[in-house]
Amino acid sequence: ETGVTQTPRHLVMGMTNKKSLKCEQHLGHNAMYWYKQSAKKPLELMFVYSLEERVENNSVPSRFSPECPNSSHLFLHLHTLQPEDSALYLCASSLQGGYGYTFGSGTRLTVV
Amino acid sequence: DQQVKQNSPSLSVQEGRISILNCDYTNSMFDYFLWYKKYPAEGPTFLISISSIKDKNEDGRFTVFLNKSAKHLSLHIVPSQPGDSAVYFCAASSQGGSEKLVFGKGTKLTVNP
Repeated sequence: ETGVTQTPRHLVMGMTNKKSLKCEQHLGHNAMYWYKQSAKKPLELMFVYSLEERVENNSVPSRFSPECPNSSHLFLHLHTLQPEDSALYLCASSLQGGYGYTFGSGTRLTVV
Repeated sequence: DQQVKQNSPSLSVQEGRISILNCDYTNSMFDYFLWYKKYPAEGPTFLISISSIKDKNEDGRFTVFLNKSAKHLSLHIVPSQPGDSAVYFCAASSQGGSEKLVFGKGTKLTVNP
């Protein structure tokens, strides 16, 4: 499969649950990103991985924990989330830098 | 502090007319700009970009204009089609595009038949 694939597409979880979001790319990219999109806000960059190393963590609460086991896979582990964490979580990949970002379709997360 | 601003949350245009989406930026280090288009339940897709060495880039019905002195860029869609209805994000990068993207809030375009 080409492009950036995110699973699941939709997720409803309780505040005490633990879940993980998965992102996979087979584009040969070496940088991967997690973005959060909330209503009426810019796309918020959460984490950046370059060559499987986390190079940026934008003051994201510890209840969000990223993992990048290899250059093709990126995970976002979630635990004890709050209702305000409900949003669309987008994964993207690129050959480092700002051009050539390819986004996945996102995971619509609802915390109840 | 928002470095990339899209001050119009929404825009409504008649089919066949021109759509103009605006974007302002504050960081003078930005030198590469992109527009992304996003349909509901899908991720953003790249539409068109422009380097700061140019003031215009055209691709079919889409043209991006860059005014560096005003730190302003705009996306023109002519003629607008109902299928263009989507959210359009402006994004900027520095060092010739080698730095990560900074996005605006997006403008929701509705093209009415």
